[in-house]
Amino acid sequence: EAGVTQFPSHSVIEKGQTVTLRCDPISGHDNLYWYRRVMGKEIKFLLHFVKESKQDESGMPNNRFLAERTGGTYSTLKVQPAELEDSGVYFCASSQESVPYEQYFGPGTRLTVT
Amino acid sequence: AQSVTQLGSHVSVSEGALVLLRCNYSSSVPPYLFWYVQYPNQGLQLLLKYTSAATLVKGINGFEAEFKKSETSFHLTKPSAHMSDAAEYFCAVSERYNFNKFYFGSGTKLNVKP
Repeated sequence: EAGVTQFPSHSVIEKGQTVTLRCDPISGHDNLYWYRRVMGKEIKFLLHFVKESKQDESGMPNNRFLAERTGGTYSTLKVQPAELEDSGVYFCASSQESVPYEQYFGPGTRLTVT
Repeated sequence: AQSVTQLGSHVSVSEGALVLLRCNYSSSVPPYLFWYVQYPNQGLQLLLKYTSAATLVKGINGFEAEFKKSETSFHLTKPSAHMSDAAEYFCAVSERYNFNKFYFGSGTKLNVKP
């Protein structure tokens, strides 16, 4: 069974540009989460989808971040326009609805904004 | 909101020595607790979890952790370190009634010396 996959693994963009990160959860996992780790600090929750619906987006830093989950399958996280402080590693995780606390994480996307 | 403290951003042990990675959480209501490990270029892998059953939890790769409510701690141990244990370890907490949102510590990098 394939795990959570994320694309790209690395992205380097200039301040003001747009970047879109993609996450493919484990098949059959209705829950999908985005987390971010900035500058070696703690990993912070960004938001949670249940299928295609945003359940909790309390961790989204500001309106430059837009997350979507098309048809309840893969998810994208767009940053527009990117700022220097957006640099970090963005993790995606997924879990089954019946066992939400068993979250499986992807390898992350390392975003560098210059 | 929860907070999770991992004492020591870097821990170095000799191969065969005891591994002890510390984690303290802030909640007065015992949450669910987790330890994850991240090997280079890989995603976070669940080592073990506490979900209010036995306070001593055994995980993969010989790791275990003990939940101590009075100390609000969930320290990770392994009796004998292997070179392959070198990685970054994260302690995480979910709220008891919101399993979907995790709070992470800032991570501890474990170095194993030959």
